[in-house]
Amino acid sequence: DAGVIQSPRHEVTEMGQEVTLRCKPISGHNSLFWYRQTMMRGLELLIYFNNNVPIDDSGMPEDRFSAKMPNASFSTLKIQPSEPRDSAVYFCASSSLTRNYGYTFGSGTRLTVV
Amino acid sequence: AQSVTQLDSQVPVFEEAPVELRCNYSSSVSVYLFWYVQYPNQGLQLLLKYLSGSTLVKGINGFEAEFNKSQTSFHLRKPSVHISDTAEYFCAVSDRRGGSNYKLTFGKGTLLTVNP
Repeated sequence: DAGVIQSPRHEVTEMGQEVTLRCKPISGHNSLFWYRQTMMRGLELLIYFNNNVPIDDSGMPEDRFSAKMPNASFSTLKIQPSEPRDSAVYFCASSSLTRNYGYTFGSGTRLTVV
Repeated sequence: AQSVTQLDSQVPVFEEAPVELRCNYSSSVSVYLFWYVQYPNQGLQLLLKYLSGSTLVKGINGFEAEFNKSQTSFHLRKPSVHISDTAEYFCAVSDRRGGSNYKLTFGKGTLLTVNP
C-alpha cells in the first residue's frame, strides 16, 4: 500500500489566490481527517469525514476554508482567498471505522502564502 | 470526551541516556492509546499502540510504553537514545466503543532533543 498520498508537497502562493490541497486515503479506510500544524498552535483538527460525509467541521477557521470528499479515494481542502496567516503544514490522515489501528498520516503539504 | 496531557513540552537528553516521555489521559470510558513520532519535516508515524492484553507495549526503534489504568498514564520509554531519535512525540487516545468514537485526541507533543 502506498499510504496516504498528499499533493502537492510544497505550495507557494500569493495572498488572495485560491489554493487546493489534495489527499488520497488508504484504500479501505473510511474515515479521513484534515489537520493543520503550526509552531504557534500545534496540531489542529480542521475537519473529518466518515464514509465521505463531513462529520465535524468545527475546526475550520473561517469560511475561506472548505473541504470535500466526492468519493472514498479522494478529498480536497480549498482555501479561497488565501492569506499569509494560512501558512502552515497541512496533513491528511485516514483510518478505519471498524478497526482501531490508529491513523495513517500523509507526508503533508507545506503551504506558504506570501 | 477524552483529553491528553503531555507533561513536558521539551526533553533534552544526552546520547545513550535513558528517556521517559510522560503522558496522562482523562476519559469516562475505556480507551485505546497511541504514541506517534514526527521527525523534522515529516508526517506523523505510528510508534506503538495499546489496544488490549499486556500493559507493556513494544514499538519501533526500541521504544516501549506501559499502560497504567489506575494512574491513567501511558508513558513512553527508551533505555538508550540515539541522535536519530530527535523528534516530536505525540500521545493520543480514543475510546473503545467504535465507529466515530475511534477519533483520536492528541496531546500537544513533546520535543525530544538528543545531544551528543
